[in-house]
Amino acid sequence: AQSVAQPEDQVNVAEGNPLTVKCTYSVSGNPYLFWYVQYPNRGLQFLLKYITGDNLVKGSYGFEAEFNKSQTSFHLKKPSALVSDSALYFCAVRDGAGGSYIPTFGRGTSLIVHP
Amino acid sequence: NAGVTQTPKFQVLKTGQSMTLQCAQDMNHEYMSWYRQDPGMGLRLIHYSVGAGITDQGEVPNGYNVSRSTTEDFPLRLLSAAPSQTSVYFCASGTVLAGEQYFGPGTRLTVT
Repeated sequence: AQSVAQPEDQVNVAEGNPLTVKCTYSVSGNPYLFWYVQYPNRGLQFLLKYITGDNLVKGSYGFEAEFNKSQTSFHLKKPSALVSDSALYFCAVRDGAGGSYIPTFGRGTSLIVHP
Repeated sequence: NAGVTQTPKFQVLKTGQSMTLQCAQDMNHEYMSWYRQDPGMGLRLIHYSVGAGITDQGEVPNGYNVSRSTTEDFPLRLLSAAPSQTSVYFCASGTVLAGEQYFGPGTRLTVT
């Protein structure tokens, strides 16, 4: 079975400060990990993914995420937050073993960047 | 590329009515899926398909039917609408190899 947890319902950060949105996961095999962003009244947009290779993954809009196998985490980060980054962020995991192709999504974390 | 398109954007139904939510993609993706999004519940998978003629149930399939006659289209049918089906519905597509999905803009459905 696969699962993903986003332990914070909401993250508040001041504009210009670094931001982190947390995600932990559980899978049987090697994880495929994803981050998506959802702006109000829009569909989800793919930001970045980790499948294999470098543990630090860079994605759209200046976001990056660090894969940590020992802590089973895949936290989303950005060095300097913008007010326009305020949105709902979803982490997702897919088990790379056994031919599974259905991802499990976290419940989402609302990021609020204050001017 | 238009990406993933969904129609209608908004719909109001009365209890017991049926309707079809349309979804189309022009990226030749083999994998397509339907989710519903409810406050505090995140995304829940309704049905998915890994190719034309192949569909399967997700986490919350009751009350919904799907079909996949072409690679491009993946309609979702509500058989007899219930107030519990009031939600925002998203269609998504992707490739099994790459893993990420591309989402449509959503359909906001209200059942009274």
